[in-house]
Amino acid sequence: AQKVTQAQTEISVVEKEDVTLDCVYETRDTTYYLFWYKQPPSGELVFLIRRNSFDEQNEISGRYSWNFQKSTSSFNFTITASQVVDSAVYFCALSEAGGEYGNKLVFGAGTILRVKS
Amino acid sequence: NAGVMQNPRHLVRRRGQEARLRCSPVKGHSHVYWYRQLPEEGLKFMVYLQKENIIDESGMPKERFSAEFPKEGPSILRIQQVVRGDSAAYFCASSPKGGGNSPLHFGNGTRLTVT
Repeated sequence: AQKVTQAQTEISVVEKEDVTLDCVYETRDTTYYLFWYKQPPSGELVFLIRRNSFDEQNEISGRYSWNFQKSTSSFNFTITASQVVDSAVYFCALSEAGGEYGNKLVFGAGTILRVKS
Repeated sequence: NAGVMQNPRHLVRRRGQEARLRCSPVKGHSHVYWYRQLPEEGLKFMVYLQKENIIDESGMPKERFSAEFPKEGPSILRIQQVVRGDSAAYFCASSPKGGGNSPLHFGNGTRLTVT
């Protein structure tokens, strides 16, 4: 069975600090996809990134970066120079690639990030 | 281009009433997914539909919940005889095709409160 674990329930940082959100996953599939979503206080779900299991290249997008390591089944998310607007709940999610089940995502419990000014 | 549209944004129902949640997918998307977020919890998959077909309803409670995605019109998640435990945020997502490599576009959610 697929499982996503976000061990950090809540993280508080001061503005401009770097912060890393951990995500560990379990799957028996050899092909799968990993996602990060952001849920700001307004409640909507904002897509941040999708990574397939064959692509272990790290990715950087502005202040955001992602570190995917298949050897440790981890897909960690780092925010550099955090800002108050980064305060949100962040979800890591996993889906298998098979078309039969569509895009059935398994979400982690989420990490609440609070950035203080 | 309009994204996934969900309405109403907020819905209040008394115990025993029916709740109907609507989801209009991104134009051209024929795959719809419903997820539920209970208070203090992550999101849980409920049901996956294609036009006029339920593909996977393994996450749906066995009673009182139903979903449809007709040939014309929005997808509807229907909850009959609501109870307080149904209070949650319900998110709809759509994709142009099935498979894990299809990006999921989520709506803003419907927050259901049962009093």
